[in-house]
Amino acid sequence: EVQLVDSGGDLVQPGGSLRLSCEASGFTFSLYHMTWVRQAPGKGLEWVANINPGGRAKYSVGSVKGRFTISRDDAKNSLYLQMNSLRVDDTAVYYCARQKFGGQIDYWGQGTLVTVSS
Amino acid sequence: QPVLTQSPSASASLGASVKLTCTLSSGHTTYPIAWHQQQPEKGPRYLMKINTDGSHSEGDGIPDRFSGSGSGAERYLTISRLQSEDEADYYCQTWDTDIHVFGRGTHLTVL
Repeated sequence: EVQLVDSGGDLVQPGGSLRLSCEASGFTFSLYHMTWVRQAPGKGLEWVANINPGGRAKYSVGSVKGRFTISRDDAKNSLYLQMNSLRVDDTAVYYCARQKFGGQIDYWGQGTLVTVSS
Repeated sequence: QPVLTQSPSASASLGASVKLTCTLSSGHTTYPIAWHQQQPEKGPRYLMKINTDGSHSEGDGIPDRFSGSGSGAERYLTISRLQSEDEADYYCQTWDTDIHVFGRGTHLTVL
C-alpha cells in the first residue's frame, strides 16, 4: 500500500525557516517524481515544487523561488521542503504527493500545517 | 502556462448523476488532466486521469460510479448514483515539464 506521511509543520514567525519531511513507503520511491502542494485556509490547491527521480531537475512556483528548496533522500525514502524567509501568506497545509510517470499526482500525503504569524 | 477553469459550485440530488467540467485554456487544449476529490476536513484523493482522446484511467479503489470523458478543451467528471459522501470539492489538475496547475475547484452539494 502506498503511504506518504508528512511532518514538520509548526508555528513560525515571519522571516523564519522550517523544514518539512515526507516519508514514503509501499513503492520504489527512487523511481518517481515527487511534488509539494499547499492549501491556504479556505482556499484551493496550489502546486509548490517538484523534483524528478535522481533529484537533478527541480521546479517551483514563482512565489517561492529563492526561498523554498525541494530535495530528496532516496536511501531514506524521504522528500523534503526547506522553507526560508517565510511570509504570512505561506500559511497553509502542505501536502507531499507522488506523480505517476512524471505526470498526474496519484497519491497524496495527509498534510502538515504551517502557520506563519507573529 | 495552461489555465484550468471550473465552475465554483454544482448541486444534484441523492441518487442522481452530475457532470463536472474542467476547461483548458486556448493553446493547451490537448493537455491531459487529472481529477481529485477533497472531502470536508480531509486531504485530496486522486480520482482519475483524462487523456486528450477522452480515455481515462482511475485511481486505486475508485468506485465505478466515477467516470471521465473529454471533448475539445473540456474534460468531464461524471458521478452517478450520488451518495452523501460525494459532497466535496473537486479539483482538476494539469501539468507540463516545469509546472503543475490546478483549477479553483468545484464544490459539489448533494441535496
